[in-house]
Amino acid sequence: QVQLVQSGAEVKKPGSSVKVSCKASGGSFNNYAIRWVRLAPGQGLEWMGGVIPEFGTVNYAQKFHGRVTIAADSSTAYLEIRSLRSEDTAVYYCAGAPVVDMYKSGPFHLWGQGTMVTASS
Amino acid sequence: EIGMTQSPATLSVSPGERVTLSCRASQSIGSHLAWYQHKPGQSPTLLIYDASTRATGVPARFSGGGSGTEFTLTISSLQSEDLGVYYCQQYNVWPPGYNFGQGTKLEI
Repeated sequence: QVQLVQSGAEVKKPGSSVKVSCKASGGSFNNYAIRWVRLAPGQGLEWMGGVIPEFGTVNYAQKFHGRVTIAADSSTAYLEIRSLRSEDTAVYYCAGAPVVDMYKSGPFHLWGQGTMVTASS
Repeated sequence: EIGMTQSPATLSVSPGERVTLSCRASQSIGSHLAWYQHKPGQSPTLLIYDASTRATGVPARFSGGGSGTEFTLTISSLQSEDLGVYYCQQYNVWPPGYNFGQGTKLEI
């Protein structure tokens, strides 16, 4: 069973960029899409976007289009956020979902442990 | 994007109680609806998918129902370990989007 292992906590200044990684422990992302979700203080889970590594297909929630880049190879996925704001302070999760086709996936069966990103001066 | 609305936002409950949470989609999503449990300090876990199928290892006291735009999650007899926040989510619809509801917090 694939497990998702994320990179460690980050503290960044507003206006800078951060890159979070999510690695498939014990194998590759075979047949899994990787989705990114965040949980900000006092808020609910928020889907940001994702990638289907075997097809290279990427999509983003409208809110994050243009400021976020998601990419992946066969075993590691990446989330980059540019122009960080204090409101981006959150725990960021990667999640694995079974691929349906080159654009869509199913529910999020696997979850990484989460990465705390703090944007503060 | 498809919007997901959950009710209530917070629910005060007691052990042994039967609990029903609601989720509404802004347009029909068929049965492409999942429920997740999120406890503080942990990663979310998948409880129900395809509206009514329990994920591996999920106790039978959890059940899901509904289709189209109206969905429910029922806990038949609440246990203390069930406290946390529950989210519904749509998936596998066009255009691709995986929006969550705003969550329902179960508390004593």
